Amino acid sequence: KAGVTQTPRYLIKTRGQQVTLSCSPISGHRSVSWYQQTPGQGLQFLFEYFSETQRNKGNFPGRFSGRQFSNSRSEMNVSTLELGDSALYLCASSFGGAWDTGELFFGEGSRLTVL
Amino acid sequence: KNEVEQSPQNLTAQEGEFITINCSYSVGISALHWLQQHPGGGIVSLFMLSSGKKKHGRLIATINIQEKHSSLHITASHPRDSAVYICAVLYSPNFGNEKLTFGTGTRLTIIP
Repeated sequence: KAGVTQTPRYLIKTRGQQVTLSCSPISGHRSVSWYQQTPGQGLQFLFEYFSETQRNKGNFPGRFSGRQFSNSRSEMNVSTLELGDSALYLCASSFGGAWDTGELFFGEGSRLTVL
Repeated sequence: KNEVEQSPQNLTAQEGEFITINCSYSVGISALHWLQQHPGGGIVSLFMLSSGKKKHGRLIATINIQEKHSSLHITASHPRDSAVYICAVLYSPNFGNEKLTFGTGTRLTIIP
């Protein structure tokens, strides 16, 4: 069974640009959640999608957005990139109808560097 | 103030020792996760708890909802257990919205 796949794994952007990251969950998983990890702030929750709807949201500005497609694949977008957006972006998928009913399966992450 | 506090921040032990990592939280939660992160970034989910105790191999996780505290124990520790262990709690900061909040992690090093 394939795991959670994130693309791209590494990318470099400049300030002001925008970026789109992709996450393909484990087959059958309907919940996809996104996280940002930085050395200073640690892991922080961005948002969670379930059946194409954003169900839960963390405390990030509107520059951070996402969506989920009918096949459960998800994308997140960051517009007007800032230096502080440099981070490892992780997604996780889970099986249950509510994401507190089972374990989370994480992808390897997309490492974004903003210059 | 962080909703989730972990201790210790760093822990070095000899192979074979019994390891305990603690997680305290200040909010009412619906679930708590223990995660393991190896160098390079990959995160593995170890346990999801809402009450009681779970065991998987040499790993044991317990939670006390009344005391808002959870512990992760590793028996017969091995160098391959060296990683960062992260506690995360699922709670509702406001109606209709659930959030997963993470501790800062415990860096565990097991010396052969």
